[in-house]
Amino acid sequence: DTGVSQDPRHKITKRGQNVTFRCDPISEHNRLYWYRQTLGQGPEFLTYFQNEAQLEKSRLLSDRFSAERPKGSFSTLEIQRTEQGDSAMYLCASSPALAKNIQYFGAGTRLSVL
Amino acid sequence: AQTVTQSQPEMSVQEAETVTLSCTYDTSESDYYLFWYKQPPSRQMILVIRQEAYKQQNATENRFSVNFQKAAKSFSLKISDSQLGDAAMYFCAYKMGGADGLTFGKGTHLIIQP
Repeated sequence: DTGVSQDPRHKITKRGQNVTFRCDPISEHNRLYWYRQTLGQGPEFLTYFQNEAQLEKSRLLSDRFSAERPKGSFSTLEIQRTEQGDSAMYLCASSPALAKNIQYFGAGTRLSVL
Repeated sequence: AQTVTQSQPEMSVQEAETVTLSCTYDTSESDYYLFWYKQPPSRQMILVIRQEAYKQQNATENRFSVNFQKAAKSFSLKISDSQLGDAAMYFCAYKMGGADGLTFGKGTHLIIQP
């Protein structure tokens, strides 16, 4: 068990470009979460999947953001037409069905929009 | 909406001493969970300790313990025998029972003086 894996660790992009991040949860964890963390702040919840179903979305998740978990395993988070305000650390977490209140976090993807 | 407040942006303690980090929260729910997470520099968030609101007994994990005051909506973290490896950002988090996203405070930067 290698923990929650996120790829890439760092992404630099120009404003207006699309970016996609990947998260691989801990094996057999059926719940997967995305958070955004800006400098000097705590993480903010974006969205949550149970298996392949996206069950909860924060109002922070604008229409430029889309998340998928097609086979209930890995997940992708895409940001279209990036803006400088999207610069942040994007964190993924997962939890198992029998301990759903405990979330295990990945190291995050740091996005810089120039 | 639930909020989590950490009033200490930074705390400093001598190695081997004891330090207490403060956290207050606001909720009208009766079913919820509270957590302390540790985020070392450039590393992933690690769960330190958790507390179920229905449990009166304060949680402990080795050198880490909490003081959970439900009526006062206070959830402080005590670290005994501080070690250099304890240096990190510490985040207090709240999760409503039945919901899935965590609500985090802004964090406390803990410095360990050798």
